[in-house]
Amino acid sequence: GAVVSQHPSRVICKSGTSVKIECRSLDFQATTMFWYRQFPKQSLMLMATSNEGSKATYEQGVEKDKFLINHASLTLSTLTVTSAHPEDSSFYICSARPHYRDSIMNTEAFFGQGTRLTVV
Amino acid sequence: GIQVEQSPPDLILQEGANSTLRCNFSDSVNNLQWFHQNPWGQLINLFYIPSGTKQNGRLSATTVATERYSLLYISSSQTTDSGVYFCAVEDSNYQLIWGAGTKLIIKP
Repeated sequence: GAVVSQHPSRVICKSGTSVKIECRSLDFQATTMFWYRQFPKQSLMLMATSNEGSKATYEQGVEKDKFLINHASLTLSTLTVTSAHPEDSSFYICSARPHYRDSIMNTEAFFGQGTRLTVV
Repeated sequence: GIQVEQSPPDLILQEGANSTLRCNFSDSVNNLQWFHQNPWGQLINLFYIPSGTKQNGRLSATTVATERYSLLYISSSQTTDSGVYFCAVEDSNYQLIWGAGTKLIIKP
């Protein structure tokens, strides 16, 4: 299957600093990528949809100024957690889906390894 | 929106046992995927199965789209099968809707 690479896998940062997480599709182009957050013992929660060359679409309740998303190329999306606080500590996972005839409908989703963020 | 329910929520088995995990969904879906999340958090694609039956080694899956459910079968369980199994369906907006997962523990 397709490969999505995410790094760093683990990061510890001080409260008030910013952290950037990268998500790359290694063997396919992804005009759309997805960022999820997962709390302990829970399922994945979609935070935002990243669109290459345009603004990301954020889910209700997700602060766009806190979680900055940039999708500058067809293979790279970044999530920056700005002015991080302990409550931002979580597991963040990115996903990408290959296109078929200019649509991601009915295409398989592939996931990065995830990033465990700890804010101290 | 679409609701996805997985059962059982927890399952503890001895090594070598077989298991069946279920995923029910409340409306028609474009596709369905099964994932295994290992203890390190990595989501591993098991099956992309909008309908029909697929097999991959000791694992197989069946989706009956008309009855809105999917089953994941694990045979001859191994300790490395432990983890959380998620079912996710694609809604009409191309977004994945996730079940709460089944936590599987395989004891040696």
